[in-house]
Amino acid sequence: GAGVSQSPRYKVAKRGQDVALRCDPISGHVSLFWYQQALGQGPEFLTYFQNEAQLDKSGLPSDRFFAERPEGSVSTLKIQRTQQEDSAVYLCASKRRGGYEQYFGPGTRLTVT
Amino acid sequence: GNSVTQMEGPVTLSEEAFLTINCTYTATGYPSLFWYVQYPGEGLQLLLKATKADDKGSNKGFEATYRKETTSFHLEKGSVQVSDSAVYFCARGGSEKLVFGKGMKLTVNP
Repeated sequence: GAGVSQSPRYKVAKRGQDVALRCDPISGHVSLFWYQQALGQGPEFLTYFQNEAQLDKSGLPSDRFFAERPEGSVSTLKIQRTQQEDSAVYLCASKRRGGYEQYFGPGTRLTVT
Repeated sequence: GNSVTQMEGPVTLSEEAFLTINCTYTATGYPSLFWYVQYPGEGLQLLLKATKADDKGSNKGFEATYRKETTSFHLEKGSVQVSDSAVYFCARGGSEKLVFGKGMKLTVNP
């Protein structure tokens, strides 16, 4: 079946603009994760949903970052008043109940100018 | 701080060379351990995993053994190919989320 998809693949925002990044997980996957990957670094955890419940948001770097998954499927990561340090690749992953493997999407590369 | 430490590259090898990428972790208990790979232009994908101590994960000629005594999960391959050129990430699980190392870029030349 289809894998995890993310849109847009690339986003350029002027500093101060708001952005919204979308993730479509694998159908039926209960868990959904967002990670941030800076250039030359490993992915870092941002937040995690189980169905529509956001169970862990300890990795969100500031209150400008907000994520939602209102119907337990598609998720949106929103960044308000973007700053240059927000430039990174944002990865989404999903996992089936009871599984070990997280399946990653291709990522959205955000560049803040 | 980052609780997964792995060798940082970049590393360049010739085809058929032996590969080792070291990875150590800190954690309470016995987390699941993973190696993810990112081929050029592609997304992260799971290469292999081990879910308990002394387990050996293997895939595509790569192997890694979960060593609780040394809190390590080193990745090895006996004979690399050009197609193994990629960035390799060690990761540990725990409370659902993954904690990644910084990644190591491997280039294999013919």
